[in-house]
Amino acid sequence: KAGVTQTPRYLIKTRGQQVTLSCSPISGHRSVSWYQQTPGQGLQFLFEYFSETQRNKGNFPGRFSGRQFSNSRSEMNVSTLELGDSALYLCASRPGQAYNEQFFGPGTRLTVL
Amino acid sequence: AQKVTQAQTEISVVEKEDVTLDCVYETRDTTYYLFWYKQPPSGELVFLIRRNSFDEQNEISGRYSWNFQKSTSSFNFTITASQVVDSAVYFCALSGETGTASKLTFGTGTRLQVTL
Repeated sequence: KAGVTQTPRYLIKTRGQQVTLSCSPISGHRSVSWYQQTPGQGLQFLFEYFSETQRNKGNFPGRFSGRQFSNSRSEMNVSTLELGDSALYLCASRPGQAYNEQFFGPGTRLTVL
Repeated sequence: AQKVTQAQTEISVVEKEDVTLDCVYETRDTTYYLFWYKQPPSGELVFLIRRNSFDEQNEISGRYSWNFQKSTSSFNFTITASQVVDSAVYFCALSGETGTASKLTFGTGTRLQVTL
């Protein structure tokens, strides 16, 4: 079974731009979560989507948003990029909300200049 | 609020040594889940183990073993006879009940360097 895939793997943007990251979960997994990893703040939960609905949300500003499609694929959008948004963005999937283990993708490394 | 503390920032060992990674957690939930993940240089977090708050049975899986002690709020991870391929950053994580299980709270990680 293929693992979680994320595209693109690397991205360079400038301040003020917006960016969209994509995540395809493991086949059959319906829950997708997003995390931000930075050297200063570590790994932080952004949000979770299940059945196209946001189920949980972390403490991030409204510039961070996401959505999930009917095939469980998810996208994350960051608008008006700031230098501090430079990070590794990790996507994780799990079969459903009754399951606890999350399986992570390789991440998208975003650099904001 | 939940909190996970990994006091060891970096550990260096020589191959074949045993190494224990410490994890201390704080939570007010009566039901919670603890995890260990490994992050190699490629960046992907690799799931290693999950324990729920009702299961204090310690486990051994090959060279890996885990020691969960609710009384001290600790969930330590030991690698026996370490190998160079074990070099990675190891994260301990905590989540609440199933409905919020996606909201993992991670520790700051312990970088393990295994040398020949």
